[in-house]
Amino acid sequence: AQSVTQPDIHITVSEGASLELRCNYSYGATPYLFWYVQSPGQGLQLLLKYFSGDTLVQGIKGFEAEFKRSQSSFNLRKPSVHWSDAAEYFCAVGALYGGSQGNLIFGKGTKLSVKP
Amino acid sequence: EAGVAQSPRYKIIEKRQSVAFWCNPISGHATLYWYQQILGQGPKLLIQFQNNGVVDDSQLPKDRFSAERLKGVDSTLKIQPAKLEDSAVYLCASSLGGERFHEQYFGPGTRLTVT
Repeated sequence: AQSVTQPDIHITVSEGASLELRCNYSYGATPYLFWYVQSPGQGLQLLLKYFSGDTLVQGIKGFEAEFKRSQSSFNLRKPSVHWSDAAEYFCAVGALYGGSQGNLIFGKGTKLSVKP
Repeated sequence: EAGVAQSPRYKIIEKRQSVAFWCNPISGHATLYWYQQILGQGPKLLIQFQNNGVVDDSQLPKDRFSAERLKGVDSTLKIQPAKLEDSAVYLCASSLGGERFHEQYFGPGTRLTVT
């Protein structure tokens, strides 16, 4: 069965410091992988996605993620965190089935706090 | 472009009462999703519609939850009767579907508290 594990429930970093959020997945084939961000009281917003090809993908707001098949990981990174990045981050694995439909399975999320 | 609209934003009910949530997706989005997000967890898909047909409702507790999307646009999710464990945020999302299924646009959610 597909599953996503985000080992860190809560991370605190200083503003300007680098960030890495971990994500491990379980999936039988090459997965579609995603990172979403959820600000307090808001819905989720897609940050970036990986389908195939280059294993380093760029997203919005200066985020990037690297797909490592050997480690079943898709970690999210940002070189310099801004206070506005404080939010909850969700990794998700998706599948397109039947050629026409797909759905997402989310991890439990990592809450990011940013110290001034 | 207007986003996904949901109402109400907050709802407090007692157990065994009924409640309904409404969602209006982005215009032209054929696929609509309802997710349940319990505190401290990621969203869990409850039901997925393609136009007005159900694609996946395998995780919907059908003894108490129901959902419809009669005209292929707006959708309503109902809980009857509610249990304490139904306290959660209910998120609606929509997408163009097909190969762009992952480009899901989420509404702000309805926070349900069952007392």
